[in-house]
Amino acid sequence: DAGVIQSPRHEVTEMGQEVTLRCKPISGHNSLFWYRQTMMRGLELLIYFNNNVPIDDSGMPEDRFSAKMPNASFSTLKIQPSEPRDSAVYFCASSFSPSSYSQQFFGPGTRLTVL
Amino acid sequence: DQQVKQNSPSLSVQEGRISILNCDYTNSMFDYFLWYKKYPAEGPTFLISISSIKDKNEDGRFTVFLNKSAKHLSLHIVPSQPGDSAVYFCAASAIDDKIIFGKGTRLHILP
Repeated sequence: DAGVIQSPRHEVTEMGQEVTLRCKPISGHNSLFWYRQTMMRGLELLIYFNNNVPIDDSGMPEDRFSAKMPNASFSTLKIQPSEPRDSAVYFCASSFSPSSYSQQFFGPGTRLTVL
Repeated sequence: DQQVKQNSPSLSVQEGRISILNCDYTNSMFDYFLWYKKYPAEGPTFLISISSIKDKNEDGRFTVFLNKSAKHLSLHIVPSQPGDSAVYFCAASAIDDKIIFGKGTRLHILP
């Protein structure tokens, strides 16, 4: 059974370019989470969806970041325009429900480098 | 302002000995606590959790202790094995709220 799938695994881009990260959650999971990991801030929640609807986007750093979930099996996180400080590892996770009691399963992450 | 703090960025422990990873939190509304483990180039995976109604939860070699009055929890690994070398994230949440993660502690198990 496939876990959470993320693409690309690595992305190197130049400042000012648009970056799109993709995620396919585990089939049957109703909640999807986007996290960012940096040395300074650790693992921080950016946004999460329940039944394809954004529930909490308070962690999105600024308007340059946007996320969509057009259907139950696909989500994107877009950064436009990208900046060097966006360099981080971005994780997608899914679970049966948004409750913290529902175990979250993480994808392998996308390592983003903005030059 | 970090609500979940892991003050030790790294820890080295001899194989076979006990590894103790510590975590402090500031939000008294947190009622559920988790530990995740992360290997390089992989996503975090759930390890063990504890509810605030308990002060200890054990799963094989892993035990989590919760001290609510001190707002402190710890993860004990006994005995430590080479495969335990990883980054460990402490996390916490309030009822029906999102999970807040710490910055992580890198554990090195020495041969």
